[in-house]
Amino acid sequence: NAGVTQTPKFQVLKTGQSMTLQCAQDMNHEYMSWYRQDPGMGLRLIHYSVGAGITDQGEVPNGYNVSRSTTEDFPLRLLSAAPSQTSVYFCASSYDKKPGGYTFGSGTRLTVV
Amino acid sequence: KQEVTQIPAALSVPEGENLVLNCSFTDSAIYNLQWFRQDPGKGLTSLLLIQSSQREQTSGRLNASLDKSSGRSTLYIAASQPGDSATYLCAVNTGTASKLTFGTGTRLQVTL
Repeated sequence: NAGVTQTPKFQVLKTGQSMTLQCAQDMNHEYMSWYRQDPGMGLRLIHYSVGAGITDQGEVPNGYNVSRSTTEDFPLRLLSAAPSQTSVYFCASSYDKKPGGYTFGSGTRLTVV
Repeated sequence: KQEVTQIPAALSVPEGENLVLNCSFTDSAIYNLQWFRQDPGKGLTSLLLIQSSQREQTSGRLNASLDKSSGRSTLYIAASQPGDSATYLCAVNTGTASKLTFGTGTRLQVTL
């Protein structure tokens, strides 16, 4: 099925550990982005990419790294996990300059203890 | 900085009632506005997308309107059903690399 695939769905990390959240889309979308969702705060943009090899910071980038080596994949790396990074993470993609709107993945629920 | 507000934060209505969810944004220079539905513990499902040049979009029992000059959008749900119970999110695209700014959502419960 076409769409945005995120793995894993759930993850528990210890403080200081690192990990990579995977995101892949098969719609040939130019834009990809990562959001985190916290209670009472809505979704906030972490990092985004407008195409392979091009990434930039969003509203809350600290503690996260991204890269975009292919159009399809946009992994999010937590460098040294902190309890403040406990959240639900969503990956999303869209076309550039086409009125298709955004497609979201099903999310990764991350707990840092 | 774009800010998006959704009112009310929560709403409970009996089945069959028509209802309106509100979304307001502070910067009228938007590219488009998108309404999403989120079920508990799930991802976001796109409901309607309104381009900045459009006034409204309709899909089944859903109708979304956009008034850019006043910074407002409404989502109208006709003849509500228990299956409509979910959180509804409004997101504004300012056109800068298609970054979305979200409201905090309206949690809707439709009772039998």
